[in-house]
Amino acid sequence: EAGVTQSPTHLIKTRGQQATLRCSPISGHTSVYWYQQALGLGLQFLLWYDEGEERNRGNFPPRFSGRQFPNYSSELNVNALELEDSALYLCASSLNGGLDTGELFFGEGSRLTVL
Amino acid sequence: GNSVTQMEGPVTLSEEAFLTINCTYTATGYPSLFWYVQYPGEGLQLLLKATKADDKGSNKGFEATYRKETTSFHLEKGSVQVSDSAVYFCALRRGGADGLTFGKGTHLIIQP
Repeated sequence: EAGVTQSPTHLIKTRGQQATLRCSPISGHTSVYWYQQALGLGLQFLLWYDEGEERNRGNFPPRFSGRQFPNYSSELNVNALELEDSALYLCASSLNGGLDTGELFFGEGSRLTVL
Repeated sequence: GNSVTQMEGPVTLSEEAFLTINCTYTATGYPSLFWYVQYPGEGLQLLLKATKADDKGSNKGFEATYRKETTSFHLEKGSVQVSDSAVYFCALRRGGADGLTFGKGTHLIIQP
C-alpha cells in the first residue's frame, strides 16, 4: 500500500513568487493535514482538510492557502513568498479527522527554499 | 489549549547507554500520545503510541508509558545504537481540529 506522497521534493523560489506543493494521502484516508517545519521552530500546524473542506487553520497569514480535491489529494499554495517561508512542508493523512485520535501518517516532505 | 513540553537537545550519548527523553503534556480530556522519529532528510515516522492511561507503547526497543497522574509520556531505551541518532518528537491528539500537537523535538546523537 502506497504511503503519503508529496511533490516536489525540493523547490527553489525567489521572494514574491508563488509556490504550489502537492500531497496524495493514503488510499481511503479523507483527512489531510499540512505542517511547516522551519529551522528552530519545530512543527507548526498549517491547515486541515477533510472531505473537500477546510476545517481548521493554524496561526498563518492568508497567503497560505490550499484545497482538497474530490480524490482527497491536496494542494498547498504560498503566495508572495518571503524568506522566512523557507522550510520543510509536511503533509499527513488520517482515516478521518472527526473524532479520530489515531496517528497521522506523514509524507517525506517538500523542502521550499526562498532566495 | 493543548501543549507538549519535551527536553530539547542535542542529547549526546555513547553507544549502549540508557536513554530517557522526558515529555509532559497539557490537555483536557483523554488524548492519545505518540512518539515520532525523524531521521536526517526524511519525514516523520511513528515510533510508538498509547491511547489510554497506563498503556505502554513499544517498538524497536523503545518504550513509553502513558502516565495520566503526572501527565507524562517519557521515552526510554535500554541500550542505544548509532542508528538511533535522529530527532524525536512527542505529540498528542485529541481528535479533529488540530491534528497532532507536537513538542519542539529532541535531537539525539549517539556516538560509537
